[in-house]
Amino acid sequence: KQEVTQIPAALSVPEGENLVLNCSFTDSAIYNLQWFRQDPGKGLTSLLLIQSSQREQTSGRLNASLDKSSGRSTLYIAASQPGDSATYLCAVSANYGGSQGNLIFGKGTKLSVKP
Amino acid sequence: NAGVTQTPKFRVLKTGQSMTLLCAQDMNHEYMYWYRQDPGMGLRLIHYSVGEGTTAKGEVPDGYNVSRLKKQNFLLGLESAAPSQTSVYFCASSYSIFNSVNTEAFFGQGTRLTVV
Repeated sequence: KQEVTQIPAALSVPEGENLVLNCSFTDSAIYNLQWFRQDPGKGLTSLLLIQSSQREQTSGRLNASLDKSSGRSTLYIAASQPGDSATYLCAVSANYGGSQGNLIFGKGTKLSVKP
Repeated sequence: NAGVTQTPKFRVLKTGQSMTLLCAQDMNHEYMYWYRQDPGMGLRLIHYSVGEGTTAKGEVPDGYNVSRLKKQNFLLGLESAAPSQTSVYFCASSYSIFNSVNTEAFFGQGTRLTVV
């Protein structure tokens, strides 16, 4: 069974700090891994997608890495800003739940960046 | 840029009532999905569709039905609502199915449903 775990569940940091969010998954047979951002009462916004053959992806101040063999991904946020405050979700694409290609989500890390 | 639009955004139902949630996407995506998000459970796949006229069960399909009569629309129905169906429902779409390595998912804003 594919399970996705995100640690920590919540994180509070002062503005300007660099931070790392962690995601782990139990089965390395994934197609890709995606990081999403969710603002309160809003939908999910895709931040980065890492294909299973890739090691990392970068977008602006965000950098995501993938180590498929160890079942780990990290999302690095540089120079954090209050506007980065949101819940960050990690999801892996895998054959699971009776469907060919399902997104299995972690429970998220709630980030708060204090001014 | 509408993307994925869900209707309604909020709804309160009494136990036993029925309702339909509408999802519309304007990106010409073949694949559409319904998820529910519950505290402490994360997002779970209810049903999905790989194209117009097709539907398939996901991880938690019981108590729900879906239809995909038009490519751009994916409807989620609750025939007899139960308190256990209180949740936030998200629709998503993608160009190809999630077992393609480069598939990005686009999500709607969600529907907050309360069943009393």
